[in-house]
Amino acid sequence: DGGITQSPKYLFRKEGQNVTLSCEQNLNHDAMYWYRQDPGQGLRLIYYSQIVNDFQKGDIAEGYSVSREKKESFPLTVTSAQKNPTAFYLCASSIGRRYEQYFGPGTRLTVT
Amino acid sequence: GIQVEQSPPDLILQEGANSTLRCNFSDSVNNLQWFHQNPWGQLINLFYIPSGTKQNGRLSATTVATERYSLLYISSSQTTDSGVYFCAVDSNDMRFGAGTRLTVKP
Repeated sequence: DGGITQSPKYLFRKEGQNVTLSCEQNLNHDAMYWYRQDPGQGLRLIYYSQIVNDFQKGDIAEGYSVSREKKESFPLTVTSAQKNPTAFYLCASSIGRRYEQYFGPGTRLTVT
Repeated sequence: GIQVEQSPPDLILQEGANSTLRCNFSDSVNNLQWFHQNPWGQLINLFYIPSGTKQNGRLSATTVATERYSLLYISSSQTTDSGVYFCAVDSNDMRFGAGTRLTVKP
């Protein structure tokens, strides 16, 4: 059963702690993406990766970090430097950089 | 960067009615996608349509790239069509509109 999985679905953290969100895909896609969605708004691009061991900043990369050590995995770390980390985080993948993107179910992060 | 505007922001329909959602964008794009976000937050792919017209059941979409807009048509709407519809365009990076929130009443 091919798809994109994100875990956990809900995540709660105290302010000042780093937290890592998981994204795994078994679609054999080269490109992967992280987006952030705030209530009532569209998605904004945080980071993307076109290939293993390479990634690029999106519009709102400050306070976030990523790694791409395996084709199937693209974890996102929300660091304590992110000023307003509470949001809904969505991971996506595509065959290549300009192709149709497919999304995972998302992780809702709450930082208090 | 490229601007993406969706209209209307909110739409309330009676079950069985038809609707048209619009997406305007400010520059040329490499691709354009329409998504439906369900109440649980999952984004469901509707159309990948950088140009032309596509149909899938009760839904169809048209993109006129030269005039920088796309339209999503929903016919014979059902309560399960409720949710937020997003247009996303790719020029240098993927940009999402703010969405159209559709409510279909029984």
